[in-house]
Amino acid sequence: AQSVAQPEDQVNVAEGNPLTVKCTYSVSGNPYLFWYVQYPNRGLQFLLKYITGDNLVKGSYGFEAEFNKSQTSFHLKKPSALVSDSALYFCAVRDIYGTGGFKTIFGAGTRLFVKA
Amino acid sequence: GAVVSQHPSWVICKSGTSVKIECRSLDFQATTMFWYRQFPKQSLMLMATSNEGSKATYEQGVEKDKFLINHASLTLSTLTVTSAHPEDSSFYICSATVGSVETQYFGPGTRLLVL
Repeated sequence: AQSVAQPEDQVNVAEGNPLTVKCTYSVSGNPYLFWYVQYPNRGLQFLLKYITGDNLVKGSYGFEAEFNKSQTSFHLKKPSALVSDSALYFCAVRDIYGTGGFKTIFGAGTRLFVKA
Repeated sequence: GAVVSQHPSWVICKSGTSVKIECRSLDFQATTMFWYRQFPKQSLMLMATSNEGSKATYEQGVEKDKFLINHASLTLSTLTVTSAHPEDSSFYICSATVGSVETQYFGPGTRLLVL
């Protein structure tokens, strides 16, 4: 079965510093990986996805993620953090079941705090 | 584009009553909609997957008779919590996808409180 792990409950970073939110996955077959962000009192928003191609994926709000097959990781990164980046971040993997149906399995989430 | 709305945004009801939550894709036709439940400080837990015109597929452990899902059109799915109890209090989130596109678009969520 597919699974995804976010080893850090919380990440603290100073504004202007680079940030990394970690994610590791376990899949059979080719991985379909996603990052979503949940701002307070707002719905989840799609940040980026990896399906195939270049290992470095660029997404919304200046975020990027690097797919590393050997380490089965898909860490989220941003070169310079903003206070407004403070939110809850979810890594997710697509799981296929039945006759081609799919569902998304979410990690537990990592809360990012960016201090001014 | 790709906006998903939910109504109501919050609801308080008495134990034993039923509550209906609507999920609409406003500017696109959603072939598949998902219903999630999110507990405080926890991740999203998939409850069911629904495709327009067919029965929903429920995840293991989710009571079909308690959480009724209807996907009547390509822009509307409803979740009805029947005979709600305090333990059903939660944050319910829907999402929608288009065709084979992998990206899910999420609604803002509905907070349910059962007294």
